[in-house]
Parts: sequence; C-alpha cells; structure tokens
Amino acid sequence: QVQLVQPGSEVKKPGDSVKVSCKAFGYTLTSHYMYWVRQAPGQGLEWMGIINPSGGSTSYAQKLQGRVTMTRDTSTSTVYMELSSLRSEDTAVYYCARGTWLRADDAFDIWGRGTLVTVSS
Amino acid sequence: QSVLTQPPSVSGAPGQRVTISCTGSSSNIGANYDVHWYQQLPETAPRLLIYGYNNRPSGVPDRFSGSKSGTSASLAISGLQAEDEATYYCQSYDSSLSGSVFGGGTKLTVL
Repeated sequence: QVQLVQPGSEVKKPGDSVKVSCKAFGYTLTSHYMYWVRQAPGQGLEWMGIINPSGGSTSYAQKLQGRVTMTRDTSTSTVYMELSSLRSEDTAVYYCARGTWLRADDAFDIWGRGTLVTVSS
Repeated sequence: QSVLTQPPSVSGAPGQRVTISCTGSSSNIGANYDVHWYQQLPETAPRLLIYGYNNRPSGVPDRFSGSKSGTSASLAISGLQAEDEATYYCQSYDSSLSGSVFGGGTKLTVL
C-alpha cells in the first residue's frame, strides 16, 4: 500500500530548528517528486517547496528561502524537511505529499498524515 | 492573500448542485498549467479530488467534476450529500513564483 509516514508532533522553542521526516512505503522514492505543504491553525494550505529524490535538487518558496532545507536518504526511502530559526508563526501542521507526474504542475496524490510542530516558549 | 482566489464559503441543500470558483492569472491558470482540487475534512490531511482540470482518482465519485476557462477554474459537486461538507482547495503552478500555489480554501456547508 502506497503511504507516507510522518511523526505525530514536535514541540520547539523560538529560535530552535526542527527536522521532520517522511518515510515512503509501497513505491520507489526516486520515481516521484516530494513536496512539503504546511497549514497553520485555522488557515489554508501553504506550499513550502519540492525535492527531487532522484538527484536531490530542491526549490523552495521565496518566503522560506534561507530557513528551509529539504534532503533525502534513498537508502531508507525517507525525505526530510528542516526549518530553522523557528518563530511562533511557524506553528502548523507540516505535510509531505507525493507528486504525480514529475512535472512543475504536479498534483499531490498521496499525503502524509501531517506533523504538528508547535513553537512555544 | 492567496495567489488563487476562492470564495470563503458556499452552501447547498442535499441533492443540489454547487460550484466553487478558483480565479488565477496569466502566470498560473492562464498559462495553461494544470489545476487540481483537494477535499479536506476536519482534522485530516487533504485528499486529491480532481487533477488536470477534470480527472478523478480512483474512488472519487463522478458527482465531482472540474472545468477551466481562461484564468479561472471551477469545481462542481452535484447530488450534494452530507459527507461532502468539507473545505475545498484549488492548486496550480505559478511561473512568476516558480512554485505551486493554492487557493485560500472554500468551506462547503450542506444545509
């Protein structure tokens, strides 16, 4: 069964970094792009960036440039999203989502359950 | 302010048909990038509903359909059911931003 597994939650302090994992099951990691999307409490979906697990190339939302890093470990079929210099506004559910066709205008056909990151002093 | 504009809410009675609009610009929908739609139930991850204007993944009822014209797209839901009550998001790619963009979401209430 194709699925993406994420940890349930993380609690961090302002200024900390968080690294969220996303492990892929049921398909070959390198055959699809992986995306990260976040959702603040009561808010809409925000695209954070993309990683091509095949070569490791990445592209990030302008708003997060300099604070976000996406990496992958093909030996464990896992991608990671690290966000640094956390502030309260980064409190959100962070989702990984699989792209469908290796295209810029991919749809996101498989989603992880999300990781709630809470930033609080 | 989202790059793609959706109405905050729509409503309809069971059995009725509702549509949700998604308005973009020449750098996203108008540039012929695909538009996709997602359904999000409370406290759950989004689910792909429609991809590439009007294609449904396996398991999505044919009551859901998509369309596109110019710089806008629409999601139509016919034969409204109580289980359709959710928030719906449109998504596309924006060449000016070099990334995917979402609409702000539309909350559907089944009366």
